[in-house]
Amino acid sequence: DVKVTQSSRYLVKRTGEKVFLECVQDMDHENMFWYRQDPGLGLRLIYFSYDVKMKEKGDIPEGYSVSREKKERFSLILESASTNQTSMYLCASSLRHGGTISYGYTFGSGTRLTVV
Amino acid sequence: TQLLEQSPQFLSIQEGENLTVYCNSSSVFSSLQWYRQEPGEGPVLLVTVVTGGEVKKLKRLTFQFGDARKDSSLHITAAQPGDTGLYLCAGEFETSGSRLTFGEGTQLTVNP
Repeated sequence: DVKVTQSSRYLVKRTGEKVFLECVQDMDHENMFWYRQDPGLGLRLIYFSYDVKMKEKGDIPEGYSVSREKKERFSLILESASTNQTSMYLCASSLRHGGTISYGYTFGSGTRLTVV
Repeated sequence: TQLLEQSPQFLSIQEGENLTVYCNSSSVFSSLQWYRQEPGEGPVLLVTVVTGGEVKKLKRLTFQFGDARKDSSLHITAAQPGDTGLYLCAGEFETSGSRLTFGEGTQLTVNP
């Protein structure tokens, strides 16, 4: 069964801490994405990557960075956690877009992060 | 950033009723996807539509893509409590590559 695995389901961190959220996929997908999901705001794209060592900013990259050293792993880093980063974080992967073919995303189960 | 509007935001119905969820944009979609999300889990892909006017069926779920590829609908016939969840539409635009823009979602509750 193909999978996107996020390292933690629940995390509680203190304000100012550096936080690492890990995501691993076993489908050999080129594309990987990090979203946060908040009530009333839907899913908002933080960062994405189309290849190893490649990253692009999404709609809300401020306060975050990412790392993609291997194809299967995409890490989200909160440089200095703040309370407004309390959220559900979702990682997703997909195959590279191929002409008119559109590939769906496979999501992980999410990490619910609370910053206190 | 292209915007994508989904309605209604909340829907609470009785078992056996029918319902429709709508997804609209002012821009043309190159493709559109529908996902379902259960509490504490990530969204799961239900269907992808690509061609204007396309209709796809998945058991009691019917998905339509507008002729102009600016809107889509999800219709559920004879809803069951197991259909309860958050339904999300997500659009790919011609300038966005593999990047999806998500609607805010429709929280559906089907009461027994």
